[in-house]
Amino acid sequence: AQTVTQSQPEMSVQEAETVTLSCTYDTSENNYYLFWYKQPPSRQMILVIRQEAYKQQNATENRFSVNFQKAAKSFSLKISDSQLGDTAMYFCATDSGAGSYQLTFGKGTKLSVIP
Amino acid sequence: KAGVTQTPRYLIKTRGQQVTLSCSPISGHRSVSWYQQTPGQGLQFLFEYFSETQRNKGNFPGRFSGRQFSNSRSEMNVSTLELGDSALYLCASSLEQGAEKLFFGSGTQLSVL
Repeated sequence: AQTVTQSQPEMSVQEAETVTLSCTYDTSENNYYLFWYKQPPSRQMILVIRQEAYKQQNATENRFSVNFQKAAKSFSLKISDSQLGDTAMYFCATDSGAGSYQLTFGKGTKLSVIP
Repeated sequence: KAGVTQTPRYLIKTRGQQVTLSCSPISGHRSVSWYQQTPGQGLQFLFEYFSETQRNKGNFPGRFSGRQFSNSRSEMNVSTLELGDSALYLCASSLEQGAEKLFFGSGTQLSVL
């Protein structure tokens, strides 16, 4: 079974600064995906970024990038130039391997961007 | 293109009752998944449907059930409600057959009194 651990329940960052959210995971699969989801007060889960485990290059999406360390089973999210709209819960997740139909989520990190 | 639509947004029930939640996926999406979100347990997978067939089920009691219709709309049902069933229930749809790209709705907040 997969497990996902987010060790930072809450974090804060000044507007325009950079923040890194940590995530470690455990899986016995060789081919899998890793995800970061954002959940603002509207409650909708929004996909921020995803990484395929067999790709060594770290994924980037505009101000969001990941540091994927496969051997260490670490998958951190870096948010650059933080904006007030980034205030939300952030969840790290993994699927159960190729063709899997379910995600396993961490408990989340509450990020507050301070003006 | 409309997103994933869940109805109702809020629901209040009493113990012992049953409840049905509805989810309309993005047009063209044939896979629908359900997740339960609680402060204590976090996000947990309930089940997933594809073309009216349940392909995978999480570790929940038989009181939790679901179905998918030919138009891909899905419903989940919880019978004999317990206080611990109070949660945000999220539905997600996907174009592909896996969980590589899920689009979530805004959920139904269920409160059991």
